[in-house]
Amino acid sequence: AQKITQTQPGMFVQEKEAVTLDCTYDTSDQSYGLFWYKQPSSGEMIFLIYQGSYDEQNATEGRYSLNFQKARKSANLVISASQLGDSAMYFCAMREGPRYKLSFGAGTTVTVRA
Amino acid sequence: DTEVTQTPKHLVMGMTNKKSLKCEQHMGHRAMYWYKQKAKKPPELMFVYSYEKLSINESVPSRFSPECPNSSLLNLHLHALQPEDSALYLCASSQVVGAGSGETQYFGPGTRLLVL
Repeated sequence: AQKITQTQPGMFVQEKEAVTLDCTYDTSDQSYGLFWYKQPSSGEMIFLIYQGSYDEQNATEGRYSLNFQKARKSANLVISASQLGDSAMYFCAMREGPRYKLSFGAGTTVTVRA
Repeated sequence: DTEVTQTPKHLVMGMTNKKSLKCEQHMGHRAMYWYKQKAKKPPELMFVYSYEKLSINESVPSRFSPECPNSSLLNLHLHALQPEDSALYLCASSQVVGAGSGETQYFGPGTRLLVL
């Protein structure tokens, strides 16, 4: 079964607008971590934001915020004030329990239009 | 500084060649990872080293041989690869897994491998 589901294969967003990328997850563990990574066409996976399962506050990092709804098992990424440089593939990932392994979603391609 | 470096950036090799990919980090991380990524797909975990010992091998074919000479370096030795092994190979590092943001994996820029 899919542990991480990203239902939006591709999105277009206008420059300076906000965009929400959806991510739902499936786990029975109480301790888990949720991550968002950005991958431009150059290939590097860039860490954006982290949310721990026990964190009560939604994580924020600059223009990135994570809308964590534990009961719904969702961890949506919000990018505010989109910039042309935000055009990239975005992956949601989860670490369950004590394991090192990350489960990645299929990714969402974001294209920012001027 | 959250930098992981990888060399080379690009590699073309024949099926009979032997080559190595190198990865280095100076963040004091004690867990290091190799991933394989095909175009428009998520990364797939290959190997995990923890405290310089192989912790996870995701049933990777023996033509891929990892090595962790010290806590900062990770190599991936390649031998007799197949064309389907052509991919982006990503290295990552993290603190040894635990609660909190310390478990974040930081990735290098990757090596684009083409096997002819």
